[in-house]
Amino acid sequence: SQTIHQWPATLVQPVGSPLSLECTVEGTSNPNLYWYRQAAGRGLQLLFYSIGIDQISSEVPQNLSASRPQDRQFILSSKKLLLSDSGFYLCAWNNLANSPLHFGNGTRLTVT
Amino acid sequence: ELKVEQNPLFLSMQEGKNYTIYCNYSTTSDRLYWYRQDPGKSLESLFVLLSNGAVKQEGRLMASLDTKARLSTLHITAAVHDLSATYFCAVHTSGSRLTFGEGTQLTVNP
Repeated sequence: SQTIHQWPATLVQPVGSPLSLECTVEGTSNPNLYWYRQAAGRGLQLLFYSIGIDQISSEVPQNLSASRPQDRQFILSSKKLLLSDSGFYLCAWNNLANSPLHFGNGTRLTVT
Repeated sequence: ELKVEQNPLFLSMQEGKNYTIYCNYSTTSDRLYWYRQDPGKSLESLFVLLSNGAVKQEGRLMASLDTKARLSTLHITAAVHDLSATYFCAVHTSGSRLTFGEGTQLTVNP
């Protein structure tokens, strides 16, 4: 069966520090991969999605970037965090056009 | 730009009562999804609706889709406390992207 792993679960980082969040999927090949952010009490905002290695689309201009070094690995990064980057970051995958997204457990990021 | 609006955003109801959550979207789409999120947790897929008139049921929840009206409903029958959570609808846009509504925070009181 397919599983998605996301880490770390929680993170507290100072303003201006770098960020690296990692997500891996097991049990499937060539998945579509997504990074979403959820502000407290709000809906989900799509940040990046990828349909293959080195095929990444950015949805919202910001100081975040994403990379997909391997088929089932998706990384969210920042060189310098802002206070506004705080939130709940969710990685997700699917691999069929009509299938729902399957979400990881999320990373709660607090920028201080 | 696709807009997805849910209402109500907050819903407090008593156990045993029925209620409906509405999800309206602004442009044509052929796929709609419902998710559940418990406090502090990730999202869990509830329903996938792929065609006009689609109806799916699981326990006390029933979801339907009217693509002509650009409307989906999530109906709760005889609510129980375990249904307390935030419910999101999500609409498929181009490519592989989903646009989520703001969520409906449901509290079921004994």
